[in-house]
Amino acid sequence: AQSVSQHNHHVILSEAASLELGCNYSYGGTVNLFWYVQYPGQHLQLLLKYFSGDPLVKGIKGFEAEFIKSKFSFNLRKPSVQWSDTAEYFCAVSSSSNTGKLIFGQGTTLQVKP
Amino acid sequence: DGGITQSPKYLFRKEGQNVTLSCEQNLNHDAMYWYRQDPGQGLRLIYYSQIVNDFQKGDIAEGYSVSREKKESFPLTVTSAQKNPTAFYLCASSRSSGGLTYEQYFGPGTRLTVT
Repeated sequence: AQSVSQHNHHVILSEAASLELGCNYSYGGTVNLFWYVQYPGQHLQLLLKYFSGDPLVKGIKGFEAEFIKSKFSFNLRKPSVQWSDTAEYFCAVSSSSNTGKLIFGQGTTLQVKP
Repeated sequence: DGGITQSPKYLFRKEGQNVTLSCEQNLNHDAMYWYRQDPGQGLRLIYYSQIVNDFQKGDIAEGYSVSREKKESFPLTVTSAQKNPTAFYLCASSRSSGGLTYEQYFGPGTRLTVT
């Protein structure tokens, strides 16, 4: 069965620090990959997605993620975080043959201290 | 304004009662989904529907039921058979074309508390 694992459950950073959130998935076939963010009191929204092509994907608000197929990973990065990045981040995977079914990781809570 | 509407934001019910959560979208999306979010467990798929009058069970469908009579609407009923119904419920939709579905857009959620 497909599964998604996010390594860090709770991350605390100071403003301007660099961020990397880990995401690994288990699935043998072709996948689509997503990072979603849930800011306090707001809807879950899409940060970025990978369907095919360049494995380095750029999203909104300065976030990027790199798909490394050999490592089954899709880590999220941001060079310099801001207090407004405080949120919960979810990695999600769907198989290309059943793209309707998203499997989510457990989520990582990011707290940025001003 | 295009989007997904879920109502109400908070819902309280007594144990043993069925309750229906509404989800409406005006994005003209074919596919709709219901998830349950619990702390430390991420989102888990309850049911999904890729076309009107058709739906499939997700990973945790037991104790839930859905209908998809209209493209815009995908109500979820939490039945008394659901052992642990207190949770945050999220509805989502996505466009679908040529057998492929695309990124999902989420509603604001309904927090259900059953006592």
